[in-house]
Amino acid sequence: NAGVTQTPKFRILKIGQSMTLQCAQDMNHNYMYWYRQDPGMGLKLIYYSVGAGITDKGEVPNGYNVSRSTTEDFPLRLELAAPSQTSVYFCASSPGTASYEQYFGPGTRLTVT
Amino acid sequence: DQQVKQNSPSLSVQEGRISILNCDYTNSMFDYFLWYKKYPAEGPTFLISISSIKDKNEDGRFTVFLNKSAKHLSLHIVPSQPGDSAVYFCAAKSGGSNYKLTFGKGTLLTVNP
Repeated sequence: NAGVTQTPKFRILKIGQSMTLQCAQDMNHNYMYWYRQDPGMGLKLIYYSVGAGITDKGEVPNGYNVSRSTTEDFPLRLELAAPSQTSVYFCASSPGTASYEQYFGPGTRLTVT
Repeated sequence: DQQVKQNSPSLSVQEGRISILNCDYTNSMFDYFLWYKKYPAEGPTFLISISSIKDKNEDGRFTVFLNKSAKHLSLHIVPSQPGDSAVYFCAAKSGGSNYKLTFGKGTLLTVNP
């Protein structure tokens, strides 16, 4: 089991460029999440999904889009990158059982200049 | 509006002694609490959790205490080891929230040999 995988690990974008952060899990989890972590801050929820074809906004969705066509994959799209999107992005998944535990990927460090 | 607060950005303890990490919350709808540990350049990993119907949960060297009336929880690590040096995040789930978690800003624990 690879768990939750994220690609790329690092990326530098110019202002106005677009990119997709990839996330995949092999645990057959229904729930998936995207968070961002800014320096000295906790994790802020961007988007989440409760199953294939179902997504919803989190706390900080502006500037991002997601899709969930399969149980395994949950890509995060950044359109028109801005310096405020410089952050570390974490993808997580959860089986949706009573433990409420979320399993995190290793993160993608994104810099927008 | 921070619903989960970790007021100590950092904590330093000697190896073998007790580490106590604190977390306060404001939302009375939170019904489940989790602690995550994060090493640099890695994703957070689940450590221990507690339901709001309990006041204590223990797992090896880690114990979480919940004081609902004070809206306060704490993580005790006994004995502390240098490998415990990491950032610790407190997280909370609101009842009926589709498994979304709200995270605190984290506390950096340093265990000195």
